[in-house]
Amino acid sequence: KAGVTQTPRYLIKTRGQQVTLSCSPISGHRSVSWYQQTPGQGLQFLFEYFSETQRNKGNFPGRFSGRQFSNSRSEMNVSTLELGDSALYLCASSSSGGGRTGELFFGEGSRLTVL
Amino acid sequence: DQQVKQNSPSLSVQEGRISILNCDYTNSMFDYFLWYKKYPAEGPTFLISISSIKDKNEDGRFTVFLNKSAKHLSLHIVPSQPGDSAVYFCAASGAGSYQLTFGKGTKLSVIP
Repeated sequence: KAGVTQTPRYLIKTRGQQVTLSCSPISGHRSVSWYQQTPGQGLQFLFEYFSETQRNKGNFPGRFSGRQFSNSRSEMNVSTLELGDSALYLCASSSSGGGRTGELFFGEGSRLTVL
Repeated sequence: DQQVKQNSPSLSVQEGRISILNCDYTNSMFDYFLWYKKYPAEGPTFLISISSIKDKNEDGRFTVFLNKSAKHLSLHIVPSQPGDSAVYFCAASGAGSYQLTFGKGTKLSVIP
């Protein structure tokens, strides 16, 4: 079974630009979550989608947005990039359908550098 | 307000000895706990989990202990191997929550 696939793996942007990251979950998984990892910080929750609906959102500004498509693939977008947005963005999928988030399967991440 | 805390940023252990990684939480609603391992340039991989109805769960060399009254859990690795060198994250979730709350991680170095 193929794992979680994230594209692109690495990208460099400048302040003020926007970026779109893509995530393909494990086949059959309908839940997709996004996390941000910065140096010295743990993984900080961005949002979670299930069957195209956002079920939960973390404490990030509105510049961070996401969506999920009918095939469970997900994208996240960051507009008006700031230097502090430089981070590893991790996507995770889960078969958990309801009640709670259980075990997450992570992709390798998209490393964003903002100059 | 950090709800999941890993107070030791790093830990060094000799090969063959026991590694003990600790994690504390503050949210009483958390009832499911997980440990993840992360190598550089890779995503975290699930290691082991424990439900709040248990106080111990074992999987090979890895054992997780949960002390609900102290809101504390620990991961024991016995015996430690050089390949265990990685960053270990503790995570927690509660019923009805669609997110995992992670600690900041502990970097384990197993010295041959």
